[in-house]
Amino acid sequence: GQQLNQSPQSMFIQEGEDVSMNCTSSSIFNTWLWYKQDPGEGPVLLIALYKAGELTSNGRLTAQFGITRKDSFLNISASIPSDVGIYFCAGQETGTASKLTFGTGTRLQVTL
Amino acid sequence: GAVVSQHPSRVICKSGTSVKIECRSLDFQATTMFWYRQFPKQSLMLMATSNEGSKATYEQGVEKDKFLINHASLTLSTLTVTSAHPEDSSFYICSARVRKNEQYFGPGTRLTVT
Repeated sequence: GQQLNQSPQSMFIQEGEDVSMNCTSSSIFNTWLWYKQDPGEGPVLLIALYKAGELTSNGRLTAQFGITRKDSFLNISASIPSDVGIYFCAGQETGTASKLTFGTGTRLQVTL
Repeated sequence: GAVVSQHPSRVICKSGTSVKIECRSLDFQATTMFWYRQFPKQSLMLMATSNEGSKATYEQGVEKDKFLINHASLTLSTLTVTSAHPEDSSFYICSARVRKNEQYFGPGTRLTVT
């Protein structure tokens, strides 16, 4: 099935730095979701976006629904060690009922 | 709210046997649940959509006779891997649709077929 292109694939940052990652698609999406997955666990929902241009925050996390409806980005401010994990974007295409398509993932490592 | 559990968390079985994985919504009713498969260092791949009281909808390439899905109640969906083989070893994760298109995931089941 289709996967969303997510970048970067991985990143090493220092504690306190800001992080930015994005997700792009060739199709129009009407929902964008961002998840975080720790090793051996299921993904945890971080932010849900439903309107083009929508900007939503959850603590130090901020995500935006691109105005073209083909992209989304996630920012993490002032990263801390527990931010380590894999971040996935997921989108729902118009006309695909409630199915989600997942991005390829961004592996984040935070060094002290 | 919106807690999803899975059982078992880990299972090891012999080749040729069948394994059942349960997915439960603990504090809400889920008319729609989803089953995903995830290989190491890869993303989640949707296997099937499970609708309460009706047949599951399988994604292209997923054998419905091998991966049996039953969603007999509003809080329980099961995935049975029949005649398991080593290539079926993977991390299986279920999710439930809560509102709009938000999906909440279970903790996953690590299946190892020897």
